[in-house]
Formats: sequence, C-alpha cells, structure tokens
Amino acid sequence: KAGVTQTPRYLIKTRGQQVTLSCSPISGHRSVSWYQQTPGQGLQFLFEYFSETQRNKGNFPGRFSGRQFSNSRSEMNVSTLELGDSALYLCASSLGTSVETQYFGPGTRLLVL
Amino acid sequence: DAKTTQPTSMDCAEGRAANLPCNHSTISGNEYVYWYRQIHSQGPQYIIHGLKNNETNEMASLIITEDRKSSTLILPHATLRDTAVYYCIVRLLVDTDKLIFGTGTRLQVFP
Repeated sequence: KAGVTQTPRYLIKTRGQQVTLSCSPISGHRSVSWYQQTPGQGLQFLFEYFSETQRNKGNFPGRFSGRQFSNSRSEMNVSTLELGDSALYLCASSLGTSVETQYFGPGTRLLVL
Repeated sequence: DAKTTQPTSMDCAEGRAANLPCNHSTISGNEYVYWYRQIHSQGPQYIIHGLKNNETNEMASLIITEDRKSSTLILPHATLRDTAVYYCIVRLLVDTDKLIFGTGTRLQVFP
C-alpha cells in the first residue's frame, strides 16, 4: 500500500498571503489529522477530519481551516499568513475507529517571508 | 499538555540495546502508550504501542510496568539509522485521533 502523501513538499509564501496544503491518506483510511511542527512549540495537533466532518480541533486561530473530501483526501488552508506560520505541516491518516494507529506523511515545509 | 516525561537526550553505541524510558504517572486505566520516532525533518514513524502487557514487533519491544506509570522502549541492536527523536505518547481513548506530543528523547547512536 502506498503511504500518506502530501503536496507540495516545500512552499515559500509572503506575509498576508494564503496557502492550501493537500494530503492523500493511505487507501481505506477515513481519518486525516493535521499537525504543525515548529522548533519553539514542537508538534501540535491542528484538527482531525473523519467522513468529511471535523471531529476534533486543536488550539489554533480561525485562520487555520481544513476540509475533507468524499475520497478522504484532505486539504488545510492558512489565510493571512504570518511569519510564525513557518513550520513543517504534517498529516496523518488512520482507519478512524477507536485507537487505530496513525501513520504520518513526509510533511510540507512552509516558509513565510 | 503532554502526559509523559522523557529524558531530553541519550547516547547508545551501535550494536548495543537502547533503552528509552518514559514516565506517565497520570495514565488512566484504559489509555494506551504509543511510541513514535522522527528522523530529522521527516514525518513521525510509528514504532509500537501497548496497554498493559509487554509488546514486541520487528522494530522494538515495549515494557510497561505493572502499575502502568512508566514504560521502556527497547531497540535491541541499535544502528546508526536509529538516531532520531523518540516520542512516548499516552493516547487519549476517545473515538477521535489526537496525539499529544511531548518534547521526546533525542537518541544518538554512535559507531
């Protein structure tokens, strides 16, 4: 089975712009979670989608949003980018039922100038 | 906040066993212990998980104390490719996926 894929792998934006990141889960997985990793804050949970519905949300401002499509692929969007949004954005997928292991993609590295 | 505490860093000689400890003194009776590792700037890689019994797979062994307040991840024969940050995570047992990562242990395997 192919693993979790994320596109693009690298991205450079400027302050004030918006960005959309994409995640394709492992085939058959219905849950997609997003995480942000920065040197200062470490790995932090953003949100989780299951069957096209947001099922859980971390403590991030409303500029961070996401969605999931009927094929389980997910996108996350960050609007009005700030310098502090520079990070590695990781997505993970799982079957989505209780205590299923999450498998991570390689991440998208976003640099905001 | 993470429910686990781990040493910041550890060293291990290549070929020797690496024993990575984790404290989770507030773990609830039905919460699992998960281990992931992250090799420099890659996505975290799942290693192993357990509830109360010891577990072993092709990558590692997980030893959980009887009171479940701590655990140890064992890499039986560490190689240079095992150099990574290792995260011990207590999994919140609700029907949603949310991993709360702590700061992890940076394991350096040396020749």
